[in-house]
Amino acid sequence: SAVISQKPSRDICQRGTSLTIQCQVDSQVTMMFWYRQQPGQSLTLIATANQGSEATYESGFVIDKFPISRPNLTFSTLTVSNMSPEDSSIYLCSVEYFFLLDRTDTQYFGPGTRLTVL
Amino acid sequence: GESVGLHLPTLSVQEGDNSIINCAYSNSASDYFIWYKQESGKGPQFIIDIRSNMDKRQGQRVTVLLNKTVKHLSLQIAATQPGDSAVYFCAETRKAAGNKLTFGGGTRVLVKP
Repeated sequence: SAVISQKPSRDICQRGTSLTIQCQVDSQVTMMFWYRQQPGQSLTLIATANQGSEATYESGFVIDKFPISRPNLTFSTLTVSNMSPEDSSIYLCSVEYFFLLDRTDTQYFGPGTRLTVL
Repeated sequence: GESVGLHLPTLSVQEGDNSIINCAYSNSASDYFIWYKQESGKGPQFIIDIRSNMDKRQGQRVTVLLNKTVKHLSLQIAATQPGDSAVYFCAETRKAAGNKLTFGGGTRVLVKP
């Protein structure tokens, strides 16, 4: 599977500030995704990060709040803008990785960024 | 570690016993299903997947069963070990929808020595 890293691993931020989270993959991948996992809950897809075009956002998530960049096939960033305590969550990136051997593709996740907003 | 899954349903299992984790999915058009394991402080880890043209798939100590009639998915873990303690999530997707995953609510598994 792909090796996925995220920076920072955790942060504590003040209300009203912004934080940019980085996701790096060790191989080129077409599909990258950003998820949010609120405390004690499951994962919710924020957006699909498309290389060379704007991200595609899910219902309830907007570009002004969660701007995403995808400058190449191994890297993406998610910014959480104008943060409030309700943004305290784990933010996870995932990549879709294709296995030529059995012609399957599935999503693998990074370790997550644990954000606390005071 | 992180408090992932504090409010999730919990399955307590004796070490060495088999575990069965259940998941109901909602979209009858879903054609690909994945089980993930999430340990405290970590991201979800892929365990096993199954396509809608199958009803059973086996891996190392794990088996996934798919019942499309009642839209039910289960994960069986044989001879549960302390290292299996984690939160388990099922996820569904439809390839035609761009592989966007929809996650179930999750189940916490606690293995008792």
